[in-house]
Amino acid sequence: EAEVAQSPRYKITEKSQAVAFWCDPISGHATLYWYRQILGQGPELLVQFQDESVVDDSQLPKDRFSAERLKGVDSTLKIQPAELGDSAMYLCASSLANAAGEAFFGQGTRLTVV
Amino acid sequence: LAKTTQPISMDSYEGQEVNITCSHNNIATNDYITWYQQFPSQGPRFIIQGYKTKVTNEVASLFIPADRKSSTLSLPRVSLSDTAVYYCLVGDGKAAGNKLTFGGGTRVLVKP
Repeated sequence: EAEVAQSPRYKITEKSQAVAFWCDPISGHATLYWYRQILGQGPELLVQFQDESVVDDSQLPKDRFSAERLKGVDSTLKIQPAELGDSAMYLCASSLANAAGEAFFGQGTRLTVV
Repeated sequence: LAKTTQPISMDSYEGQEVNITCSHNNIATNDYITWYQQFPSQGPRFIIQGYKTKVTNEVASLFIPADRKSSTLSLPRVSLSDTAVYYCLVGDGKAAGNKLTFGGGTRVLVKP
């Protein structure tokens, strides 16, 4: 069964350092999402791509976060500089363009900022 | 986007049926209702989706009344492995670039 691949699974970084996460969606999925999930809360959408274009990044802290999906396939989410409050699970998901809400999530990257 | 309200937590016992009701009073004509399941340290997993009446798959059933202002996810004969957080989402399922907005979810604890 096809899966959404994310790496790394775990990341520990010091505050003020840069950190990057990578996501490879399911082949053929035009829509890609990045979510942040703080322990005990539901996932919060950071950015949504349709192919290589950003559809929604209204909740992305643009002063420190950036996301790209240059060829409309895999994607990178970057944080620079990392802050203690960025500690969370970062989840990537993908779906077909008109998938009626059915998205497939990766295992996530657990970020700890110390 | 339609806002959803669901119980924070529910306890059940193995073998029982668990019903989780989600309120979405402002659901729009084009909106679908989708439920996800999430285990600790894993990404959410799609369970079921519906527009009206009843939908059933190998995992769960989804009941949607005629006014569509609420929906109920039914998990038959739960086991310990069904302990998870369940999220109700409402959105325009057929639109390109459909936005998936999660709320707080319902924590279901299945006891032996």
